Amino acid sequence: EAGVTQFPSHSVIEKGQTVTLRCDPISGHDNLYWYRRVMGKEIKFLLHFVKESKQDESGMPNNRFLAERTGGTYSTLKVQPAELEDSGVYFCASSQDKRLAGVTYEQYFGPGTRLTVT
Amino acid sequence: AQSVTQLGSHVSVSEGALVLLRCNYSSSVPPYLFWYVQYPNQGLQLLLKYTSAATLVKGINGFEAEFKKSETSFHLTKPSAHMSDAAEYFCAVSDQWSSNTGKLIFGQGTTLQVKP
Repeated sequence: EAGVTQFPSHSVIEKGQTVTLRCDPISGHDNLYWYRRVMGKEIKFLLHFVKESKQDESGMPNNRFLAERTGGTYSTLKVQPAELEDSGVYFCASSQDKRLAGVTYEQYFGPGTRLTVT
Repeated sequence: AQSVTQLGSHVSVSEGALVLLRCNYSSSVPPYLFWYVQYPNQGLQLLLKYTSAATLVKGINGFEAEFKKSETSFHLTKPSAHMSDAAEYFCAVSDQWSSNTGKLIFGQGTTLQVKP
């Protein structure tokens, strides 16, 4: 079974440009999360999807960030326009529906996208 | 609000020595606790998890952690370090109860160096 995949693995863009990150969760996982790690800081939650619905977007830094999950499958995170402080590693994670009997709540992470804004 | 503190951003041990990575949490409700590991150029991999069952949790690669409610700790240990254990380790708590998201709250991470 394929794990969580993210594309691209690295992206270098100039300030003011737009970048779109993609995450493909594990098949059948309804929950999809985005996290970010800015250099030297802890990994921080950005938002959570349940299928195609945003459950919690309290961690989104500002309205330059837009996340979508059309059809409840893959998700995209767009940053427009990018600023220097947006540099960091963006992680995606997925998990099964925690309400299913016998399922221990566990998130599976992708390898991350390293975004550098110059 | 829940939080996690990892004591020591860098830990260095000799090969064969005990590994002890410290994690303290703050939570007003029963926590779900996790240790993740990130090897160079890879994503986060779950080492082990505590979900209110046995307080001593065994994980992969010989790691284990003990949940101590009185100390609000969830330290990660391994009796004998191996060179392949060199990585960054993250402790995390899940807010299973305060919201419906189950989002993870991470500590700052601890980089483990293993010397030959």
